[in-house]
Amino acid sequence: EADIYQTPRYLVIGTGKKITLECSQTMGHDKMYWYQQDPGMELHLIHYSYGVNSTEKGDLSSESTVSRIRTEHFPLTLESARPSHTSQYLCASSESLGRTANTGELFFGEGSRLTVL
Amino acid sequence: GEDVEQSLFLSVREGDSSVINCTYTDSSSTYLYWYKQEPGAGLQLLTYIFSNMDMKQDQRLTVLLNKKDKHLSLRIADTQTGDSAIYFCAERPTTSGTYKYIFGTGTRLKVLA
Repeated sequence: EADIYQTPRYLVIGTGKKITLECSQTMGHDKMYWYQQDPGMELHLIHYSYGVNSTEKGDLSSESTVSRIRTEHFPLTLESARPSHTSQYLCASSESLGRTANTGELFFGEGSRLTVL
Repeated sequence: GEDVEQSLFLSVREGDSSVINCTYTDSSSTYLYWYKQEPGAGLQLLTYIFSNMDMKQDQRLTVLLNKKDKHLSLRIADTQTGDSAIYFCAERPTTSGTYKYIFGTGTRLKVLA
């Protein structure tokens, strides 16, 4: 079972509010990712991190920001939420290939479903 | 471009076999993956195949890889109602120099009792 946790699981907020989605993993993985998932299922990478103090924007432009001050923690923040931010946000982590005998598997959290009214 | 393609829907009867197909793009991908997503949850790794393999079997699951055609398939034998979920194939290209994964659009499998 994956040791990666997201909170909150569900959040309903009003337009203009600041929100932070939390993601923590206890596996010591250096790589962490945030995906946005459409209602139509497709996953879009919005942020990723190779390690502490390293963050990059993903393929889908997002108004959210992330930080990686500690290995285990990769929070995502929206300064001013809008209805267009309504979506499911999935956090994931992985270990580097070659670091151990691993397959580069991505471990996912359960997701945070955000609704902005 | 970086597109991993899957059909969107598949419906089968309980006890039948399901075959979910995927076409990927980057021949440098060392591993190819199948993930399962149940309603309201994150994705979980079902199985993976190393790029130098043609086939991998794991209990009810069989993965076939055709590198020439860049085609990956997942066969679920004796499909059960608990197999109803969204299935994603994914590749992790090694040529890009990053650690980004490319996911397919997902196939929603519905198992009819």
